Amino acid sequence: KQEVTQIPAALSVPEGENLVLNCSFTDSAIYNLQWFRQDPGKGLTSLLLIQSSQREQTSGRLNASLDKSSGRSTLYIAASQPGDSATYLCAVRADKLIFGTGTRLQVFP
Amino acid sequence: GAVVSQHPSRVICKSGTSVKIECRSLDFQATTMFWYRQFPKKSLMLMATSNEGSKATYEQGVEKDKFLINHASLTLSTLTVTSAHPEDSSFYICSARMGGQEAFFGQGTRLTVV
Repeated sequence: KQEVTQIPAALSVPEGENLVLNCSFTDSAIYNLQWFRQDPGKGLTSLLLIQSSQREQTSGRLNASLDKSSGRSTLYIAASQPGDSATYLCAVRADKLIFGTGTRLQVFP
Repeated sequence: GAVVSQHPSRVICKSGTSVKIECRSLDFQATTMFWYRQFPKKSLMLMATSNEGSKATYEQGVEKDKFLINHASLTLSTLTVTSAHPEDSSFYICSARMGGQEAFFGQGTRLTVV
């Protein structure tokens, strides 16, 4: 059974810092890995999707890497801003999409 | 990206009643839809997977008689919480996918059972 874990569970930083969020999964037989953002009480916003054949994806200040063989992905957020405060979820897809435990990020001014 | 509409966004119901949540794919045909449940400050837990025209496949521990899923068309799936109780209060999110493509998510439904 696929298990997806995210570390840290919570993170509070001053704005401007560069951040690394970690995601690990137990079964490397995946099609892709996706990072989402969720604001309190809201749905999901897809940030980046990495296919299993890819190593990384970038969008603006976000960069996600994937090491499928070791079952790891990282989300790098450059120059963090208060507006980045949210919960970040990674999810791996085989026949279904399984979500990680999430990282609650707070960026304070 | 594609649009998935979920309705209602919020619902309050009395204990013992049933409530239906709709999930529609607005601009694509969703051959597969997924229903998730999210407890406060927790991640999304997959409840069931439904393929159009077939019975839903429920995850272990999810009561299929409690959470009725219908996927009668390529653009609509419904989740009915039957005989709801306060412990069913949660945030429910659907997602829809066409074939092997990326899945897109609805905005979620906050269910409160009083």
